[in-house]
Amino acid sequence: NAGVTQTPKFRVLKTGQSMTLLCAQDMNHEYMYWYRQDPGMGLRLIHYSVGEGTTAKGEVPDGYNVSRLKKQNFLLGLESAAPSQTSVYFCASSYRTITDTQYFGPGTRLTVL
Amino acid sequence: AQTVTQSQPEMSVQEAETVTLSCTYDTSESDYYLFWYKQPPSRQMILVIRQEAYKQQNATENRFSVNFQKAAKSFSLKISDSQLGDAAMYFCAYRNTGNQFYFGTGTSLTVIP
Repeated sequence: NAGVTQTPKFRVLKTGQSMTLLCAQDMNHEYMYWYRQDPGMGLRLIHYSVGEGTTAKGEVPDGYNVSRLKKQNFLLGLESAAPSQTSVYFCASSYRTITDTQYFGPGTRLTVL
Repeated sequence: AQTVTQSQPEMSVQEAETVTLSCTYDTSESDYYLFWYKQPPSRQMILVIRQEAYKQQNATENRFSVNFQKAAKSFSLKISDSQLGDAAMYFCAYRNTGNQFYFGTGTSLTVIP
């Protein structure tokens, strides 16, 4: 049982490049989330999903797209990376209801030059 | 919009002593959930404790307890018998019934041997 894993752990992009971050969970959780964490700020919710095939916008969705084609995977895409997207990205999952604990992945450090 | 405020960027405590981390939030909702997360240098977010707003009784988890004051919109974390392993960044978080999460900016806790 690996919990929540994120790929890659580190990445450096040039402005305008695209990339996809992969989040995988093996706990059969329904809900999955993508956050970004910036210095001096708490985590901010980018997008989330309440089940396979569904996604919804969070607090800061602009510049990102997501997909949940399989229940265990939640992809975060950057179509045209900008320096403002330099951040640490965290994925999380939870079983079903809003009272359930969120389990976080180890994070991905992304730098956009 | 909901906001979460942690007014103490840094705190320190002597080993074996007790420390209280402050958190206030702003919401117009009556039903919500509050959490404290710990983020050690490894960056992994770990749930410390959670509180349902409809429960008057303060949540406790071993050495960790909260003081939940719903009318004052205050949710402080008390760590008793502090240990070196408690040193980390602590985040207060609010979750509404719409499945949106809002995090505070964090409090860095140092434990002095």
